[in-house]
Amino acid sequence: GDSVTQMEGPVTLSEEAFLTINCTYTATGYPSLFWYVQYPGEGLQLLLKATKADDKGSNKGFEATYRKETTSFHLEKGSVQVSDSAVYFCALRERSNDYKLSFGAGTTVTVRA
Amino acid sequence: NAGVTQTPKFRVLKTGQSMTLLCAQDMNHEYMYWYRQDPGMGLRLIHYSVGEGTTAKGEVPDGYNVSRLKKQNFLLGLESAAPSQTSVYFCAIRSRGGNTEAFFGQGTRLTVV
Repeated sequence: GDSVTQMEGPVTLSEEAFLTINCTYTATGYPSLFWYVQYPGEGLQLLLKATKADDKGSNKGFEATYRKETTSFHLEKGSVQVSDSAVYFCALRERSNDYKLSFGAGTTVTVRA
Repeated sequence: NAGVTQTPKFRVLKTGQSMTLLCAQDMNHEYMYWYRQDPGMGLRLIHYSVGEGTTAKGEVPDGYNVSRLKKQNFLLGLESAAPSQTSVYFCAIRSRGGNTEAFFGQGTRLTVV
C-alpha cells in the first residue's frame, strides 16, 4: 500500500534557524499529502496540505511543495521560534481508498531560545 | 480539539482488566479512526469505521475490539489488557473526500501494569 517515510529526529535548533524535515512517499496513484503538528500534551492538528503535483501548502510560516518527480513533500520554515517545538507528521491519503490516511513516524523538533 | 472528545483522558489498568475508550464527535463526519502512538513508532492504525454500523481492522488490531452503533460515537474496547497496550490512544474523524483534514481528540494515556 501507499506509505510515507520521514526524516528521523530528534532535531534541535536555535531560534531563528532554518528548519527542514524530509518526507518522501510511495504511492501507486496521486495521493493528497499533509503535514500535521502535535504540540506537547495535545492531539494532532493540520498544519498544511497539497492535493496535486507542484501545489505548495503554507501556514504559520511553514511551506511544503508536492514534488511528483522526486515523490517528496519536505517541510520548511525559514526562521523557527521556541513555539514551533512540537512533533511533526507527514501524512498521505490514497486517492484509490478515500478513507485511508497513513502517517510517517513523526519528527520531534525542539527549538532553543 | 473542537469536535472530537475522548473519554477518559488517563487510566491505569491492571493486566487482565477490561475497559472501553469512548470517542464522541459533533461534526457529523463519516470516517472515524483509532490510533495508538508509541515512542519511535509514530501513529499506528488500530481500527477504523467508514460509517455507522461498520468497522474494519487497521495495522495493529489484535487485542482490541470496536463498535460504531451510532454515527457520532466510536468505542475502542480492551477485553484483557496487557502491558504491551500501554500507549497513548488517539481518535480521529474525517469527512468523505480526499482533501479533507482529519480532526483529532486530545488523546487517552493508558498504562497497563
